[in-house]
Amino acid sequence: RKEVEQDPGPFNVPEGATVAFNCTYSNSASQSFFWYRQDCRKEPKLLMSVYSSGNEDGRFTAQLNRASQYISLLIRDSKLSDSATYLCVVATSGTYKYIFGTGTRLKVLA
Amino acid sequence: ETGVTQSPTHLIKTRGQQVTLRCSSQSGHNTVSWYQQALGQGPQFIFQYYREEENGRGNFPPRFSGLQFPNYSSELNVNALELDDSALYLCASSSQQGARVGAFFGQGTRLTVV
Repeated sequence: RKEVEQDPGPFNVPEGATVAFNCTYSNSASQSFFWYRQDCRKEPKLLMSVYSSGNEDGRFTAQLNRASQYISLLIRDSKLSDSATYLCVVATSGTYKYIFGTGTRLKVLA
Repeated sequence: ETGVTQSPTHLIKTRGQQVTLRCSSQSGHNTVSWYQQALGQGPQFIFQYYREEENGRGNFPPRFSGLQFPNYSSELNVNALELDDSALYLCASSSQQGARVGAFFGQGTRLTVV
Protein backbone atom coordinates (compact mmCIF):
# COMPACT_ATOMS: atom_id res chain seq x y z
CA ARG A 1 0.00 0.00 0.00
CA LYS A 2 1.32 3.45 -0.90
CA GLU A 3 2.05 5.82 1.98
CA VAL A 4 0.00 8.58 0.38
CA GLU A 5 -2.81 7.76 -2.04
CA GLN A 6 -4.73 9.99 -4.36
CA ASP A 7 -7.24 9.40 -7.13
CA PRO A 8 -5.22 10.29 -10.25
CA GLY A 9 -8.31 11.57 -12.08
CA PRO A 10 -8.60 13.33 -14.42
CA PHE A 11 -11.42 15.37 -13.00
CA ASN A 12 -13.04 17.34 -15.83
CA VAL A 13 -15.31 20.07 -14.48
CA PRO A 14 -16.99 23.12 -16.01
CA GLU A 15 -15.96 26.62 -15.05
CA GLY A 16 -17.69 27.74 -11.88
CA ALA A 17 -18.06 24.22 -10.50
CA THR A 18 -17.01 23.09 -7.05
CA VAL A 19 -14.61 20.15 -6.97
CA ALA A 20 -13.13 18.18 -4.10
CA PHE A 21 -10.10 15.93 -3.91
CA ASN A 22 -9.28 13.47 -1.16
CA CYS A 23 -5.99 11.98 -0.13
CA THR A 24 -5.35 9.20 2.37
CA TYR A 25 -2.14 8.53 4.28
CA SER A 26 -0.98 5.42 6.07
CA ASN A 27 1.40 6.73 8.76
CA SER A 28 -0.60 7.72 11.81
CA ALA A 29 2.45 9.61 13.13
CA SER A 30 2.20 12.09 10.26
CA GLN A 31 2.01 15.65 11.54
CA SER A 32 2.43 18.03 8.63
CA PHE A 33 0.23 18.17 5.59
CA PHE A 34 0.29 20.26 2.46
CA TRP A 35 -1.31 20.65 -0.91
CA TYR A 36 0.95 21.54 -3.81
CA ARG A 37 -0.09 22.46 -7.31
CA GLN A 38 1.95 21.36 -10.31
CA ASP A 39 1.45 22.61 -13.84
CA CYS A 40 2.54 20.47 -16.77
CA ARG A 41 6.34 20.12 -16.86
CA LYS A 42 6.79 22.70 -14.09
CA GLU A 43 7.84 22.50 -10.46
CA PRO A 44 5.35 21.91 -7.61
CA LYS A 45 4.18 25.11 -5.97
CA LEU A 46 2.93 25.28 -2.39
CA LEU A 47 -0.80 25.89 -2.46
CA MET A 48 -1.54 25.65 1.23
CA SER A 49 -0.64 23.95 4.46
CA VAL A 50 -3.39 21.89 6.07
CA TYR A 51 -4.14 22.53 9.72
CA SER A 52 -6.04 20.36 12.16
CA SER A 53 -8.89 22.84 12.42
CA GLY A 54 -9.16 23.17 8.65
CA ASN A 55 -8.22 26.30 6.77
CA GLU A 56 -9.35 28.40 3.89
CA ASP A 57 -7.55 30.57 1.40
CA GLY A 58 -9.92 32.34 -0.96
CA ARG A 59 -11.66 29.72 -3.07
CA PHE A 60 -9.61 26.89 -1.56
CA THR A 61 -10.48 25.00 1.61
CA ALA A 62 -8.36 22.26 3.14
CA GLN A 63 -9.53 19.80 5.78
CA LEU A 64 -7.74 17.19 7.84
CA ASN A 65 -9.37 14.14 9.39
CA ARG A 66 -6.80 12.48 11.63
CA ALA A 67 -9.10 9.69 12.79
CA SER A 68 -9.66 8.51 9.23
CA GLN A 69 -6.24 9.65 8.03
CA TYR A 70 -7.35 11.69 5.10
CA ILE A 71 -6.93 15.20 3.80
CA SER A 72 -9.22 17.01 1.44
CA LEU A 73 -9.02 20.02 -0.84
CA LEU A 74 -12.14 21.84 -1.99
CA ILE A 75 -12.02 24.31 -4.86
CA ARG A 76 -15.03 26.58 -5.28
CA ASP A 77 -15.95 28.54 -8.41
CA SER A 78 -13.35 26.75 -10.54
CA LYS A 79 -11.39 28.85 -13.02
CA LEU A 80 -9.71 27.73 -16.22
CA SER A 81 -6.41 28.63 -14.54
CA ASP A 82 -7.04 26.03 -11.82
CA SER A 83 -6.29 23.29 -14.37
CA ALA A 84 -3.25 21.50 -12.98
CA THR A 85 -2.18 18.46 -10.98
CA TYR A 86 -2.77 18.72 -7.24
CA LEU A 87 -0.26 16.89 -5.07
CA CYS A 88 -1.00 15.80 -1.53
CA VAL A 89 2.06 15.88 0.74
CA VAL A 90 2.59 14.37 4.18
CA ALA A 91 5.52 14.65 6.59
CA THR A 92 6.17 13.28 10.04
CA SER A 93 6.89 15.94 12.63
CA GLY A 94 10.55 16.76 12.98
CA THR A 95 11.54 14.79 9.92
CA TYR A 96 12.90 15.97 6.72
CA LYS A 97 11.10 13.91 4.18
CA TYR A 98 8.00 14.85 2.25
CA ILE A 99 5.93 11.94 1.00
CA PHE A 100 4.01 12.89 -2.13
CA GLY A 101 0.94 11.31 -3.59
CA THR A 102 0.93 10.70 -7.33
CA GLY A 103 -1.29 13.73 -7.82
CA THR A 104 -4.84 14.36 -9.01
CA ARG A 105 -5.29 15.95 -12.41
CA LEU A 106 -7.91 18.66 -12.72
CA LYS A 107 -9.10 20.09 -16.01
CA VAL A 108 -11.52 23.00 -15.88
CA LEU A 109 -13.51 23.31 -19.09
CA ALA A 110 -14.87 26.50 -20.62
CA GLU B 1 9.05 33.26 -7.89
CA THR B 2 10.47 31.06 -5.13
CA GLY B 3 14.06 32.26 -5.32
CA VAL B 4 15.25 28.65 -5.73
CA THR B 5 17.24 28.18 -8.90
CA GLN B 6 18.50 25.00 -10.52
CA SER B 7 20.94 24.40 -13.31
CA PRO B 8 20.99 23.18 -15.94
CA THR B 9 17.31 23.11 -16.92
CA HIS B 10 17.76 20.25 -19.39
CA LEU B 11 20.45 17.66 -19.83
CA ILE B 12 21.01 14.63 -22.04
CA LYS B 13 23.52 12.03 -20.91
CA THR B 14 24.58 8.59 -22.05
CA ARG B 15 24.13 5.50 -19.91
CA GLY B 16 27.15 4.98 -17.66
CA GLN B 17 28.10 8.65 -17.52
CA GLN B 18 28.10 10.86 -14.45
CA VAL B 19 26.08 14.04 -13.92
CA THR B 20 26.10 16.95 -11.47
CA LEU B 21 23.01 19.05 -10.88
CA ARG B 22 23.08 22.33 -8.97
CA CYS B 23 20.67 24.20 -6.73
CA SER B 24 20.76 27.62 -5.10
CA SER B 25 18.45 27.84 -2.13
CA GLN B 26 16.19 30.71 -1.21
CA SER B 27 17.79 33.42 0.89
CA GLY B 28 17.49 32.58 4.59
CA HIS B 29 16.89 28.86 3.98
CA ASN B 30 19.47 26.45 5.39
CA THR B 31 17.93 23.19 4.21
CA VAL B 32 17.94 21.70 0.73
CA SER B 33 16.15 18.51 -0.29
CA TRP B 34 16.36 16.69 -3.58
CA TYR B 35 13.54 14.80 -5.25
CA GLN B 36 13.23 12.67 -8.36
CA GLN B 37 9.98 12.84 -10.31
CA ALA B 38 9.33 10.27 -13.00
CA LEU B 39 6.65 10.93 -15.58
CA GLY B 40 3.16 10.55 -14.13
CA GLN B 41 4.42 10.08 -10.58
CA GLY B 42 4.79 12.25 -7.52
CA PRO B 43 8.26 13.40 -6.48
CA GLN B 44 10.32 10.82 -4.57
CA PHE B 45 12.65 11.96 -1.78
CA ILE B 46 16.34 11.37 -2.52
CA PHE B 47 18.06 13.10 0.42
CA GLN B 48 18.24 16.30 2.41
CA TYR B 49 21.11 18.53 3.49
CA TYR B 50 20.96 20.68 6.59
CA ARG B 51 23.87 22.93 7.48
CA GLU B 52 26.19 21.03 5.11
CA GLU B 53 25.39 17.58 6.54
CA GLU B 54 23.22 14.87 5.01
CA ASN B 55 20.12 14.79 7.18
CA GLY B 56 18.20 11.84 5.83
CA ARG B 57 18.06 9.72 2.74
CA GLY B 58 15.34 8.03 0.75
CA ASN B 59 15.45 4.69 -0.99
CA PHE B 60 18.11 5.55 -3.57
CA PRO B 61 21.39 3.72 -4.21
CA PRO B 62 24.78 5.15 -3.15
CA ARG B 63 25.53 6.28 -6.70
CA PHE B 64 23.24 9.19 -5.84
CA SER B 65 25.28 11.54 -3.68
CA GLY B 66 25.25 15.18 -2.76
CA LEU B 67 26.89 18.14 -1.15
CA GLN B 68 25.85 21.33 0.52
CA PHE B 69 28.10 24.36 0.60
CA PRO B 70 28.54 27.06 3.28
CA ASN B 71 26.19 29.36 1.35
CA TYR B 72 23.58 26.52 1.51
CA SER B 73 23.63 25.86 -2.22
CA SER B 74 23.74 22.18 -3.09
CA GLU B 75 24.77 19.64 -5.70
CA LEU B 76 23.31 16.29 -6.63
CA ASN B 77 25.69 13.85 -8.26
CA VAL B 78 24.63 10.68 -10.01
CA ASN B 79 27.24 8.16 -11.12
CA ALA B 80 26.88 5.30 -13.58
CA LEU B 81 23.69 6.67 -15.08
CA GLU B 82 20.95 4.21 -15.97
CA LEU B 83 18.06 4.67 -18.37
CA ASP B 84 15.63 4.70 -15.41
CA ASP B 85 17.38 7.76 -14.02
CA SER B 86 15.62 9.79 -16.70
CA ALA B 87 13.35 12.11 -14.72
CA LEU B 88 12.76 15.62 -13.47
CA TYR B 89 15.09 16.37 -10.57
CA LEU B 90 13.73 18.89 -8.13
CA CYS B 91 15.48 20.82 -5.44
CA ALA B 92 13.43 22.11 -2.49
CA SER B 93 14.58 24.85 -0.17
CA SER B 94 13.22 25.36 3.33
CA SER B 95 13.96 26.60 6.80
CA GLN B 96 13.46 24.51 9.96
CA GLN B 97 13.71 21.41 7.83
CA GLY B 98 10.46 22.23 6.08
CA ALA B 99 8.39 19.79 8.08
CA ARG B 100 6.00 22.43 9.39
CA VAL B 101 6.15 25.38 7.09
CA GLY B 102 6.38 23.97 3.59
CA ALA B 103 9.24 23.91 1.14
CA PHE B 104 9.78 25.79 -2.09
CA PHE B 105 10.90 24.11 -5.27
CA GLY B 106 13.20 25.17 -8.04
CA GLN B 107 12.11 24.78 -11.64
CA GLY B 108 13.87 21.43 -11.89
CA THR B 109 16.42 19.80 -14.14
CA ARG B 110 15.03 17.45 -16.75
CA LEU B 111 17.55 14.65 -17.22
CA THR B 112 17.33 12.28 -20.15
CA VAL B 113 19.59 9.23 -20.20
CA VAL B 114 20.01 7.58 -23.57
